Amino acid sequence: SQQGEEDPQALSIQEGENATMNCSYKTSINNLQWYRQNSGRGLVHLILIRSNEREKHSGRLRVTLDTSKKSSSLLITASRAADTASYFCATDAYYGQNFVFGPGTRLSVLP
Amino acid sequence: NAGVTQTPKFQVLKTGQSMTLQCAQDMNHNSMYWYRQDPGMGLRLIYYSASEGTTDKGEVPNGYNVSRLNKREFSLRLESAAPSQSSVYFCASSESTGGTPLHFGNGTRLTVT
Repeated sequence: SQQGEEDPQALSIQEGENATMNCSYKTSINNLQWYRQNSGRGLVHLILIRSNEREKHSGRLRVTLDTSKKSSSLLITASRAADTASYFCATDAYYGQNFVFGPGTRLSVLP
Repeated sequence: NAGVTQTPKFQVLKTGQSMTLQCAQDMNHNSMYWYRQDPGMGLRLIYYSASEGTTDKGEVPNGYNVSRLNKREFSLRLESAAPSQSSVYFCASSESTGGTPLHFGNGTRLTVT
């Protein structure tokens, strides 16, 4: 079963525009993480946000977390063609402490 | 700094054949994981090892076995491959299971005919 679900499934934007992806989850969490996956490669960790945090920044990335709505968003500002990838959110599972991944958002940044 | 190394990168098996996927990490991480990735399904956890000497089932363990050979190495074995096991397999490691980032290998694409 998937704890997290990203939205939209696919997103296509022009270089320089901002990209926003959302993640909704079903049960209470301790942590939420965002990962990027380039085609044919493994996932790369972007940001971890804890349940007592509301917002985190890393370079052009901004992640928000709203535990009351059980949702998170990933904003990529001033996107570049190199940002083209799939983006996944991962949340704590209810059992153990292993992260459960959603199906991802496929982002295409057009030059 | 290699990170997480998986071998092989590609494999084709016939139904009923067996194989072992190898994974090694050089980051001195305690925890290691095996995931499979199928289109539209995200990543699903097969097995994990919270620390050397322990292994536990994840979401989809049926048809697989694992061995935590030492702190560095964690292998995944398919004893009798089935077409439903065609997938991309990822090994990952982390400092611990308690909310620390996962570091992934580049995957093994397995096709079972």
